Amino acid sequence: DGGITQSPKYLFRKEGQNVTLSCEQNLNHDAMYWYRQDPGQGLRLIYYSQIVNDFQKGDIAEGYSVSREKKESFPLTVTSAQKNPTAFYLCASSLQGAEWNTEAFFGQGTRLTVV
Amino acid sequence: GEDVEQSLFLSVREGDSSVINCTYTDSSSTYLYWYKQEPGAGLQLLTYIFSNMDMKQDQRLTVLLNKKDKHLSLRIADTQTGDSAIYFCADGKPGGYNKLIFGAGTRLAVHP
Repeated sequence: DGGITQSPKYLFRKEGQNVTLSCEQNLNHDAMYWYRQDPGQGLRLIYYSQIVNDFQKGDIAEGYSVSREKKESFPLTVTSAQKNPTAFYLCASSLQGAEWNTEAFFGQGTRLTVV
Repeated sequence: GEDVEQSLFLSVREGDSSVINCTYTDSSSTYLYWYKQEPGAGLQLLTYIFSNMDMKQDQRLTVLLNKKDKHLSLRIADTQTGDSAIYFCADGKPGGYNKLIFGAGTRLAVHP
C-alpha cells in the first residue's frame, strides 16, 4: 500500500541533544514537507523540498535541519539550537504541478518531548 | 500576509448538523481544503474545493465557498460520535511549491 510513514511515534530528547525524525514515502511524490503542530495553533511549515537534493526553509526553520538525498526520504533533525522543541511533528508529501489538485498526504506524526 | 482563521471549538448533539467556518485572506488561493485530525494522528484530507466553485457535496459533507467574502464552510450532516476530531481549513496554490496555509483547527465535540 502506498503511503507516508513517520518514525518513531514518540521520541524523548534530553536538553542539548540532537534528534532525527524519519519520514519515508512510497507515493512517488516529488515534494515533501515538515510541519510543527502546537496546541491551539495551526500547522507551521519548517522545511520543504520540491526535488531531490534541494530544500527550502519554511516559516520556522531556525533550530532545524533537513536532507533530501533520496526521493523517498526527508529526515528532520531537531538540533540543540531549537529552544522549544516539544511538539507534534508532521511530515507530508504531494505531487508537483501547476494544474492539478495539490492534495498533501500526511504521516501519523512524531511526538517529541524534551526531558 | 496570508492568514486562515477558524473558531477553535464546536459542540453538537449526535444526529444534528455541524457547520465549521473558516475565513482566509489570500485572494489568489486556487484550492481550499478541509482536513480531519483524530487524536494522536496525522491529517486526513476530507474534501477540497476549487476556487471557481461555490459548492461541493460529498455524501454527508457540504462545502460552501463565498469567494467575495473569502469565507469557507464545512457542513457535516447527521453528525456522529466518530466525527469528533479537529478540522483544519487550509488554502493552497499549486505550481512549483505547493504551500498550504492552515488555520488553527476547530475541535468538534459530538455528544449524545
